[in-house]
Amino acid sequence: EVQLVESGGGLVQPGGSLRLSCAASGFTFRSYWMTWVRQAPGKGLEWVANINQEGSEKHYVDFVKGRITISRDNAKNSLFLQMNSLRAEDTAVYYCARVGNDHDYDFWGQGTLVTVSP
Amino acid sequence: QSVLTQPPSVSGAPGQRVTMSCTGSSSNIGAGYDVHWYQQLPGTAPKLLIYANNNRPSGVPDRFSGSKSGTSASLAITGLQAEDEADYYCQSHDSSLSAWVFGGGTKLTVL
Repeated sequence: EVQLVESGGGLVQPGGSLRLSCAASGFTFRSYWMTWVRQAPGKGLEWVANINQEGSEKHYVDFVKGRITISRDNAKNSLFLQMNSLRAEDTAVYYCARVGNDHDYDFWGQGTLVTVSP
Repeated sequence: QSVLTQPPSVSGAPGQRVTMSCTGSSSNIGAGYDVHWYQQLPGTAPKLLIYANNNRPSGVPDRFSGSKSGTSASLAITGLQAEDEADYYCQSHDSSLSAWVFGGGTKLTVL
């Protein structure tokens, strides 16, 4: 059974940093692109970043470029999202998801809440 | 303002058929990029419902179907059930933005 479990969310002050993790199991992690998607309270889904199987190709949405870094550790079946210079508008539930063959997001974690507030 | 436009809400009675649209442009759906649909039940993570325009993952009932034409896509649900009440999101790729984009979501209410 595919499982994705996010962790690392919490309350952080504006300008602060946070590192999210996503532990994967039930599939060959190193064979899949992975992605992060976020959802602000009461709002819709927003793609944040994705990374290829080897970690050599990364893509980011414009408004996080330079502040957020996606990475992975295939030996530990883990995906990460390093977030710096956090702003109030980064407050959201952050989901990790597996990218399917058609670039759909076929399995999702339960999400981790990041709250940016003084 | 989302790059992919979805109606904020649709509704239908149990047993009825409902459709919801996802309107894009020549830089996303119209450029030939696949459209995917996700269902998000209240308080839960999204779930893949339709991939590559009209394909259902294993376990998704055949009451759900997708289609794509030109710069738009549609999700249809037949035999509406109370448990279908959820938010539905379309997704595609946009070449102008070099980004994967979601629609703003449609809230389905089962009357």
